[in-house]
Amino acid sequence: EAGVTQFPSHSVIEKGQTVTLRCDPISGHDNLYWYRRVMGKEIKFLLHFVKESKQDESGMPNNRFLAERTGGTYSTLKVQPAELEDSGVYFCASSQQGVVTDTQYFGPGTRLTVL
Amino acid sequence: RKEVEQDPGPFNVPEGATVAFNCTYSNSASQSFFWYRQDCRKEPKLLMSVYSSGNEDGRFTAQLNRASQYISLLIRDSKLSDSATYLCVVTWLNTGNQFYFGTGTSLTVIP
Repeated sequence: EAGVTQFPSHSVIEKGQTVTLRCDPISGHDNLYWYRRVMGKEIKFLLHFVKESKQDESGMPNNRFLAERTGGTYSTLKVQPAELEDSGVYFCASSQQGVVTDTQYFGPGTRLTVL
Repeated sequence: RKEVEQDPGPFNVPEGATVAFNCTYSNSASQSFFWYRQDCRKEPKLLMSVYSSGNEDGRFTAQLNRASQYISLLIRDSKLSDSATYLCVVTWLNTGNQFYFGTGTSLTVIP
């Protein structure tokens, strides 16, 4: 069974540009999460989709970040315009049941560098 | 105070050694507990869930102490392949399913 996949694996952009990250969850997983790790810090939650609906977006840092999951399959996370502090590794995860005891399966991450 | 705190290490141990990591969490209403393993520049992968009664999976033993709000991971007979960063993860009762991560503890097993 294929795991969570993310694209691109790396992205280098200049401040002020736009970047769109994509995540394909494990097939059949209704729950999709975005997390971010900035250098030297812990991995932090950004938001949680259940199918196409945003269940919890309390971790989104500001309105420059827009996440979508049209059709309840893959998800995109757009950063517009990007700032230097947005650099980090963006992880996507998916889970089947969406309960607090659920294992979340992580993708390999997208390493974003904003110059 | 951070939600989850871990000693970042690094822990450098010889093959065959026993090593233990601790993790403390701030929210007494924490619900679920996990240890994830992350290899360099890879995704975090579930190592084991941590149950109230403690649990063991081969060379790995996890313990939970709710009264003191800490979780431990014990690795016996360390292998070179155990070298990785170990992430302590907690969920809370009233904040949905979001994971709260520690910064991770780095382990290097030396031949």
